[in-house]
Amino acid sequence: ELKVEQNPLFLSMQEGKNYTIYCNYSTTSDRLYWYRQDPGKSLESLFVLLSNGAVKQEGRLMASLDTKARLSTLHITAAVHDLSATYFCAVDFTGTASKLTFGTGTRLQVTL
Amino acid sequence: DVKVTQSSRYLVKRTGEKVFLECVQDMDHENMFWYRQDPGLGLRLIYFSYDVKMKEKGDIPEGYSVSREKKERFSLILESASTNQTSMYLCASKTGGREKLFFGSGTQLSVL
Repeated sequence: ELKVEQNPLFLSMQEGKNYTIYCNYSTTSDRLYWYRQDPGKSLESLFVLLSNGAVKQEGRLMASLDTKARLSTLHITAAVHDLSATYFCAVDFTGTASKLTFGTGTRLQVTL
Repeated sequence: DVKVTQSSRYLVKRTGEKVFLECVQDMDHENMFWYRQDPGLGLRLIYFSYDVKMKEKGDIPEGYSVSREKKERFSLILESASTNQTSMYLCASKTGGREKLFFGSGTQLSVL
């Protein structure tokens, strides 16, 4: 079965702290996507990770992919309130990106 | 910027009604997708289309059909709406290949 698991499902953190969201998936893939969803809004693409060892960074967010471990991480550095959102990872198991399998999402709440 | 437009932000329908959800994209993308989003379940693919008049079932196609008569427009049809189809419906599009998805703002459908 093709599964994508994220943890934690909910994360409350203080401004200025660091934390990591984990995305595990069940079978071989070499492409993984991270999306962000603000409350009441649609999904916005953050990162596309294309191969083993890929690392992408934008601002306080850094994503990495380890295809051997079937694991991607989204690391948050010195969180700010504006990062409060739900974060989804999605895995391309087909090799064509025609059927992405999404994780359940991690709701991040950054408190002052 | 890519724009994916869903015709309704909120819809309330009665059980047994036929429901049409419309999606239009303005970037000449070959591929279009319909997902539903439910709390704790993430996004699940209902149907997708890789060309005009072409469609493929996603992971949860039961109770749904789709239509793609023009490249820019992809419609989701609930033939006879049921209460378990109450959900947020998200349309997305992308170019060919393994590029990222662009999402619409979603339609929150309530079936009473």
